[in-house]
Amino acid sequence: DTAVSQTPKYLVTQMGNDKSIKCEQNLGHDTMYWYKQDSKKFLKIMFSYNNKELIINETVPNRFSPKSPDKAHLNLHINSLELGDSAVYFCASSQSYSGNTIYFGEGSWLTVV
Amino acid sequence: DQQVKQNSPSLSVQEGRISILNCDYTNSMFDYFLWYKKYPAEGPTFLISISSIKDKNEDGRFTVFLNKSAKHLSLHIVPSQPGDSAVYFCAASAKSNTGKLIFGQGTTLQVKP
Repeated sequence: DTAVSQTPKYLVTQMGNDKSIKCEQNLGHDTMYWYKQDSKKFLKIMFSYNNKELIINETVPNRFSPKSPDKAHLNLHINSLELGDSAVYFCASSQSYSGNTIYFGEGSWLTVV
Repeated sequence: DQQVKQNSPSLSVQEGRISILNCDYTNSMFDYFLWYKKYPAEGPTFLISISSIKDKNEDGRFTVFLNKSAKHLSLHIVPSQPGDSAVYFCAASAKSNTGKLIFGQGTTLQVKP
């Protein structure tokens, strides 16, 4: 029973393509996140949604568009992929958006060639 | 502007001894601190947390200490085991900032048998 699951785990794609990463949590949490781990290994927040409402958008290029069809799902769509988008993308969730422990998925390794 | 810093990129400890991982922060608004453990090709796993109203929290072999005046926290692992070998991330959040986690750059712990 994976609490936060994301697919695909590995993705290799060409520059200019559009791709999506899906995420689902079965913890009953209200808040979901996308974090990015770059080549320097820093984990940085990209977006967070609380009950399907966007609450954090951290100066991410608008080629990145999160979509939350319900509070258990937060998908990440990336348009016109660039080489610099290569990173590991982690989905996560927490009970609420204020002062709670965040639980992460296993990550999606995106390589743009 | 790195608000959470882990100045030791790596640490090597003998099995059975104590491991001490350190973390410094600059933002006095942070009121919740967490440690995550990460194995290769997996997502960060929550380990232990501490609220700013406490100075110590213990969970089995893991203890986190918080020194607010010094803006410093540390994770103690006693006794260290080879399975503890992983990357450890310190993270901080502020309720006033919608609870988003700010991560340090991680410390790689190697526990030698």
